[in-house]
Amino acid sequence: EVQLLESGGGLVQPGGSLRLSCAASGFTFSSYGMTWVRQAPGKGLEWVSGFGGSSGTTYYADSVKGRFTISRDNSKNTLYLQMNSLRAEDTAIYYCAKDTETYRYFDHWGQGTLVTVSS
Amino acid sequence: DIQMTQSPSTLSASVGDRVTITCRASQSIIDWLAWYQQKPGRAPKLLIYKASTLESGVPSRFSGSGSGTEFTLTISSLQPDDFATYYCQQYYRYGLTFGQGTKVEIK
Repeated sequence: EVQLLESGGGLVQPGGSLRLSCAASGFTFSSYGMTWVRQAPGKGLEWVSGFGGSSGTTYYADSVKGRFTISRDNSKNTLYLQMNSLRAEDTAIYYCAKDTETYRYFDHWGQGTLVTVSS
Repeated sequence: DIQMTQSPSTLSASVGDRVTITCRASQSIIDWLAWYQQKPGRAPKLLIYKASTLESGVPSRFSGSGSGTEFTLTISSLQPDDFATYYCQQYYRYGLTFGQGTKVEIK
């Protein structure tokens, strides 16, 4: 059974940093693209960043480019999101999601971790 | 980025109703479109991919259609478990984009 478990969320001041983790199990982690999607309180889904399959190519939404860095440790089956220069508008639930083998839609999601940026 | 626009934003319906949600893309995405269902406090769940292919385990009352720039999600007979918010997502090109969501409410 595929499982994705996010951690690392919390309260951080504007301008601060936070690193999210997503521990994966139940599938061959290194063979799949992985993605971060966020959802601000009461709002819709926003794609944040992703790995383009096993190629290692990374992609970012314009809203986080230059501030967030996605990475992965295939030996630990873990996806990361390093978030720097955080702003109030980054406040959201952050979900990690597993891509399908070939395409960039998401067949499994974690339960999410809440990031609150506030002074 | 490709913009995805869903309509309506909110839909009030009764159990047993046929429900249709529309998703329009700002340019052709061929059929690289997925639909998700999200319930309050829960992660999204994949319903349909490639515009019309039902994900394994999803009830057959859900169906998708369309190509190019216009797509629809149809629930043939609305069930109590279907009251939720639905999102479309294009995966034709990075940056991936979602529609703003359609909330299906009890009438």
